Amino acid sequence: DTGVSQNPRHKITKRGQNVTFRCDPISEHNRLYWYRQTLGQGPEFLTYFQNEAQLEKSRLLSDRFSAERPKGSFSTLEIQRTEQGDSAMYLCASSLEASTFGSGTRLTVV
Amino acid sequence: RKEVEQDPGPFNVPEGATVAFNCTYSNSASQSFFWYRQDCRKEPKLLMSVYSSGNEDGRFTAQLNRASQYISLLIRDSKLSDSATYLCVVRGYNKLIFGAGTRLAVHP
Repeated sequence: DTGVSQNPRHKITKRGQNVTFRCDPISEHNRLYWYRQTLGQGPEFLTYFQNEAQLEKSRLLSDRFSAERPKGSFSTLEIQRTEQGDSAMYLCASSLEASTFGSGTRLTVV
Repeated sequence: RKEVEQDPGPFNVPEGATVAFNCTYSNSASQSFFWYRQDCRKEPKLLMSVYSSGNEDGRFTAQLNRASQYISLLIRDSKLSDSATYLCVVRGYNKLIFGAGTRLAVHP
């Protein structure tokens, strides 16, 4: 385990479908973050877990978004009833102090 | 006002040039500060942490002024491989807050 792993790397979905992304953090990191990044912008914070507890959610995370981290290990981010505005790169990061990012999942909603 | 603001890019510089990026942040309670580098269509990667005393890593020097809420990054002797987007990052209580990034293009 040399880094943060995300899959899938790319996802194309039709508007209205549900999608789920997975993140496997660095094993000794207890903090896990989800971010979203669109072209020309820095990553925007979505949510944060310390171990299995979800401690903070951004107001960007509408009711259609849900994240889980069962047992404090891997995490999933689900988007229900996708909209075109959900198209973005979804980045997962884990940390002790500075964060290490996964390669991201690029979502395209058509 | 954005929580972290950076110089708008792009910066186009010749190889060997010295280039400086600036960043300001709005939350005086911010705890830690970083510069990340992001290559096109890749994830952000930590370049260096930023300390109040200033710190240097090879050709890169970072400075923090807590009183002015200002962070800087200086790159000396630019290389073609330095071409990337540089993200100024501030840690709040639970999360990292990113600036929009400044694009650097180093040309021969």
